[in-house]
Amino acid sequence: EPEVTQTPSHQVTQMGQEVILRCVPISNHLYFYWYRQILGQKVEFLVSFYNNEISEKSEIFDDQFSVERPDGSNFTLKIRSTKLEDSAMYFCASSETSGRGNEQFFGPGTRLTVL
Amino acid sequence: GDSVTQMEGPVTLSEEAFLTINCTYTATGYPSLFWYVQYPGEGLQLLLKATKADDKGSNKGFEATYRKETTSFHLEKGSVQVSDSAVYFCAHDTSGTYKYIFGTGTRLKVLA
Repeated sequence: EPEVTQTPSHQVTQMGQEVILRCVPISNHLYFYWYRQILGQKVEFLVSFYNNEISEKSEIFDDQFSVERPDGSNFTLKIRSTKLEDSAMYFCASSETSGRGNEQFFGPGTRLTVL
Repeated sequence: GDSVTQMEGPVTLSEEAFLTINCTYTATGYPSLFWYVQYPGEGLQLLLKATKADDKGSNKGFEATYRKETTSFHLEKGSVQVSDSAVYFCAHDTSGTYKYIFGTGTRLKVLA
């Protein structure tokens, strides 16, 4: 069964460093998403991406964040200068369509720890 | 604003016990409602969904009914198994946007 994959599973970085989290969405999906979950809190939407551009972003997704689909298979989230409060589990998701009732398929997550 | 509230975990049950995990939501319009499950080391998997009021989603013995009058979507299972141990997330989609709104997740531990 096709699945969304994410690498690495755990990333440890120093405050101020840049990190890139990688995702391989399901191959025939057109819509891509990043969410994050700070420990003990809700899973929060960060950004959606369609047709090589951001279709929607939350207020969390500030200038420190960027997303890219560098080739036909990868979808990346870059944090330019990490802060302690960026420590969280980051989930990538993809969907075939958008709109009401569409299923988003999620990866296993990357746990980011900022020291 | 839009939100989802789930009961706090962890929930610990003996095998074959009855499970209820409460979920209530606040949303604009008429969202679709979802339950996702995350097994250790895996991604969030869709467990079931309902797209309109009074719909019942069901899968693997789990059920949840879309209750518009109480804005709830409680997850139930009549007899849990050890293999049901996981984290369960309630979520809804949002009118006119791409995002899902999630709860905090409820960890279920089933003991043999």
